Amino acid sequence: ETGVTQTPRHLVMGMTNKKSLKCEQHLGHNAMYWYKQSAKKPLELMFVYNFKEQTENNSVPSRFSPECPNSSHLFLHLHTLQPEDSALYLCASSGPEEKDRKSSNQPQHFGDGTRLSIL
Amino acid sequence: AQKITQTQPGMFVQEKEAVTLDCTYDTSDPSYGLFWYKQPSSGEMIFLIYQGSYDQQNATEGRYSLNFQKARKSANLVISASQLGDSAMYFCAMRDRLRGNTGKLIFGQGTTLQVKP
Repeated sequence: ETGVTQTPRHLVMGMTNKKSLKCEQHLGHNAMYWYKQSAKKPLELMFVYNFKEQTENNSVPSRFSPECPNSSHLFLHLHTLQPEDSALYLCASSGPEEKDRKSSNQPQHFGDGTRLSIL
Repeated sequence: AQKITQTQPGMFVQEKEAVTLDCTYDTSDPSYGLFWYKQPSSGEMIFLIYQGSYDQQNATEGRYSLNFQKARKSANLVISASQLGDSAMYFCAMRDRLRGNTGKLIFGQGTTLQVKP
């Protein structure tokens, strides 16, 4: 079982459809993230959840609605998307920091992503 | 504000040779972590190596090493003995300690590496 699993791998939808992206982590991590990666752009953080609570919303339009029912699962509900929302959506998770470290050292572990195309 | 800069959009290297991918960063926080990720054409982001701002030695992981120059705010990735499978996009990223493990991970623009046979 891979660490972070995303489904589906590919999704094509119309602008009026409603769909959901799913992310599941089997690493025992407490934090989960959604990122958007558009062509020729750096990854953009969308949402952060820590112990099921949303701790960051990076000014994401309301047509993207995240849900985190528990520390292992993260969803991104999509509704009335625009063509510019076509991108690779990556989920990640990370564990708690080591208490005796001065620097933040826990890497985020990523899933394979969902490649989303909006028609 | 935090910022990561990767100035090389694309790089070529001959198989079995070493290559250095540049990364400079900007932060006012004394405690931060620097990460390198590899993204093959299939899309997954693979964690390669980590360097903490207080670490005394440069990080190494197999064929990957990090040339960390704190005063110059640079954290270049060195890949030794390049292999064809190293062809991918490489991202440098940074996170500061103040936000803990849910801190925002800031990514650079990425460098595309192509290994020639």
